Amino acid sequence: AQKITQTQPGMFVQEKEAVTLDCTYDTSDPSYGLFWYKQPSSGEMIFLIYQGSYDQQNATEGRYSLNFQKARKSANLVISASQLGDSAMYFCAMANTGFQKLVFGTGTRLLVSP
Amino acid sequence: EAGVAQSPRYKIIEKRQSVAFWCNPISGHATLYWYQQILGQGPKLLIQFQNNGVVDDSQLPKDRFSAERLKGVDSTLKIQPAKLEDSAVYLCASSLRAGGQDTQYFGPGTRLTVL
Repeated sequence: AQKITQTQPGMFVQEKEAVTLDCTYDTSDPSYGLFWYKQPSSGEMIFLIYQGSYDQQNATEGRYSLNFQKARKSANLVISASQLGDSAMYFCAMANTGFQKLVFGTGTRLLVSP
Repeated sequence: EAGVAQSPRYKIIEKRQSVAFWCNPISGHATLYWYQQILGQGPKLLIQFQNNGVVDDSQLPKDRFSAERLKGVDSTLKIQPAKLEDSAVYLCASSLRAGGQDTQYFGPGTRLTVL
């Protein structure tokens, strides 16, 4: 069975600093995808970044990058140059290829201060 | 391009009442999902449609929850009768294709409070 673990209930960072949000996963399937979503207080889940299990390079999308360490089964999200608008809940999720059902972690609440 | 639409945004009902949520996916998206997000947790899949057929409803409490996707576009999720533990945000998502690693895009959700 798939499982996502996010061990940081909350993170605090100052504006313009970088922050890493941790995510570890467990699956027996060799082919899978890892996703990060942002959920502001409005409630909508906003897609940030995707990493495939066979991708050789770490995914990047603007200020977001995914530090993918397959042997350690970790997929940490790195946000560079934090902005006040980055304050939100962040969820790590995974799906095995062909099924697409997303399994989510419990989330990390990020607070960015001026 | 319009995103996933959901209505209502908020709903308050008493236990044992019924309620229905509506979702309109992104145009052209074949796959539609309903998730339940209880406060303090990540979303949990309730049901997945591929066009108008059900792909996965293993976590749908079928004694009280039902969902349909007529004509492979809009979808409705119903709860009848509601219980206190159904208080949650109900998120609808859609993706373009069925297989492979296709990104799911979410709507704003419906926050249900059962009193």
